[in-house]
Amino acid sequence: AQSVTQLGSHVSVSEGALVLLRCNYSSSVPPYLFWYVQYPNQGLQLLLKYTTGATLVKGINGFEAEFKKSETSFHLTKPSAHMSDAAEYFCAVSEVDGSNYQLIWGAGTKLIIKP
Amino acid sequence: EAGVVQSPRYKIIEKKQPVAFWCNPISGHNTLYWYRQNLGQGPELLIRYENEEAVDDSQLPKDRFSAERLKGVDSTLKIQPAELGDSAVYLCASSPGGQGGYEQYFGPGTRLTVT
Repeated sequence: AQSVTQLGSHVSVSEGALVLLRCNYSSSVPPYLFWYVQYPNQGLQLLLKYTTGATLVKGINGFEAEFKKSETSFHLTKPSAHMSDAAEYFCAVSEVDGSNYQLIWGAGTKLIIKP
Repeated sequence: EAGVVQSPRYKIIEKKQPVAFWCNPISGHNTLYWYRQNLGQGPELLIRYENEEAVDDSQLPKDRFSAERLKGVDSTLKIQPAELGDSAVYLCASSPGGQGGYEQYFGPGTRLTVT
């Protein structure tokens, strides 16, 4: 079965610094990949997704992620962190099993922005 | 376009009491999901509907949890009786349907506290 690993339950960066949140998945078949963000007391909001085509995907709020098949990774980056980026970020991978389709979720990474 | 609507936002009940959560998905979305999210973890799928049919309820604790999606639109998730371990955020999500790269759109969730 598919699994998703997010390295680091908490990541702390200074405002203006590079944000890098790591996501690795286990499937040998290129899946569909997603990053979601969750602000306190809110639901999850899609940041970006990869399905096919260009491996560098741009999302909302200045985030982007690159699909690297050889590394089975889909790391999320942003060149310059803002205070408003403080939230929890979840990586998810689609899994198709017969007629069933579901997202497999990582455990999440809490992004802390230091002033 | 209205997003996924959930109610109530917060619910506090005593153990052994029943509780119900309601979800109204995005108009036209055939697929509806119920997730449970514990603190510091990713969402855990409870049940997935395609229209009015529950196509994946393998992770729904059927001894105490039930769900329905009448007419393939709104959905209700019920717990009876609630246990202390049911305290969590219950998220509803919808998607246009089908397999593959369809992203899921989430409601704000219902935070359940069982005392």
